[in-house]
Amino acid sequence: DTGVSQDPRHKITKRGQNVTFRCDPISEHNRLYWYRQTLGQGPEFLTYFQNEAQLEKSRLLSDRFSAERPKGSFSTLEIQRTEQGDSAMYLCAGQPNSGNTIYFGEGSWLTVV
Amino acid sequence: AQSVTQPDIHITVSEGASLELRCNYSYGATPYLFWYVQSPGQGLQLLLKYFSGDTLVQGIKGFEAEFKRSQSSFNLRKPSVHWSDAAEYFCAVGDSSGTYKYIFGTGTRLKVLA
Repeated sequence: DTGVSQDPRHKITKRGQNVTFRCDPISEHNRLYWYRQTLGQGPEFLTYFQNEAQLEKSRLLSDRFSAERPKGSFSTLEIQRTEQGDSAMYLCAGQPNSGNTIYFGEGSWLTVV
Repeated sequence: AQSVTQPDIHITVSEGASLELRCNYSYGATPYLFWYVQSPGQGLQLLLKYFSGDTLVQGIKGFEAEFKRSQSSFNLRKPSVHWSDAAEYFCAVGDSSGTYKYIFGTGTRLKVLA
């Protein structure tokens, strides 16, 4: 158990619809990361939170993507007006302030049809 | 810029044989290095990590990796592979300058023959 849970695990949506993924890390994970992984590729960094502050965003995070961590606990990743190219697994990861290791959740699979 | 190269996309070994998965990195300072394993449809499980000190690190499931600064490599090894080791393996370099975000390689898919 990595202490990071994600919901839903799988989502199928029609192109143009909005989707939201949720990540719940344990309280010790002050830092929270979102990654995207497409088939045959390694995970790619999307964004990073230190508590409730979003400190870095990748250029991969287009205007259609928004991430929040309102109380420094759970986080949401919303994708608006989904496109087929958004089909991927979205991974959330947590990290304690005192450590250098990132612990990944099981991921949320998105299929846009 | 940081980067990670895993030269082998696919590797097939027989059960009981030894295994070495290659990883080369590019990073300006002393890197944080990691190996993760991913089973189909699942998240990533940490196998082992290197921050500093002894260049041979031991991990879970009988895996080990050796950091070689002169070769910018962090190869993963296992003396005897089990069928359950079939999975995808990712090498990653961590940014030690602030955010600790990771850069991942493209992965090596391991197939184990019975």
